[in-house]
Amino acid sequence: NAGVMQNPRHLVRRRGQEARLRCSPMKGHSHVYWYRQLPEEGLKFMVYLQKENIIDESGMPKERFSAEFPKEGPSILRIQQVVRGDSAAYFCASSPGRGTSGSTIYFGEGSWLTVV
Amino acid sequence: SQQGEEDPQALSIQEGENATMNCSYKTSINNLQWYRQNSGRGLVHLILIRSNEREKHSGRLRVTLDTSKKSSSLLITASRAADTASYFCATDARDSSYKLIFGSGTRLLVRP
Repeated sequence: NAGVMQNPRHLVRRRGQEARLRCSPMKGHSHVYWYRQLPEEGLKFMVYLQKENIIDESGMPKERFSAEFPKEGPSILRIQQVVRGDSAAYFCASSPGRGTSGSTIYFGEGSWLTVV
Repeated sequence: SQQGEEDPQALSIQEGENATMNCSYKTSINNLQWYRQNSGRGLVHLILIRSNEREKHSGRLRVTLDTSKKSSSLLITASRAADTASYFCATDARDSSYKLIFGSGTRLLVRP
């Protein structure tokens, strides 16, 4: 049973380009979360999605960032017109049901974005 | 400061010694979790302790939770060089249990 799969693991983008990060949740998991980790900091919640629905995007920057989790295929975190401050590790997590009470959220290995 | 602050920020010990890390939080929680992160890698779930539990063990790990003080501790006994990593506590809020709130972590170095 494969874990949460993220790709690419490392991505380099020039300022102004677009970054697309993909996440395939664990088998049987329909709840996906994206977190961002800046250097030397803990993870910060960005968005929570279920298939075809955004449940909570309170942690997403208002501009340039979007996320989706289509009926078929992986969840995508899209960052348009990247700036240096977007350089961070982006982690995807999944769970079989809503919430963490009594259940574990499983994290992927992360996608490290570097903006040059 | 944010919920889930770890203390100390960095800890250096000799192999074989015990390592204790503390975490404080601010709001009511359903549970608290500890994660380990090796440099450049993802998070590995270590242990989950529910709000109605006071202590939990898993191998060389011992976690305590004091909801009256809104604090938790992670004890790693008989540390090994392979325990070198960053350790994070994460809490969820009662009103949004799906959202984990992480501290900034404790960076543990275990010297061989």
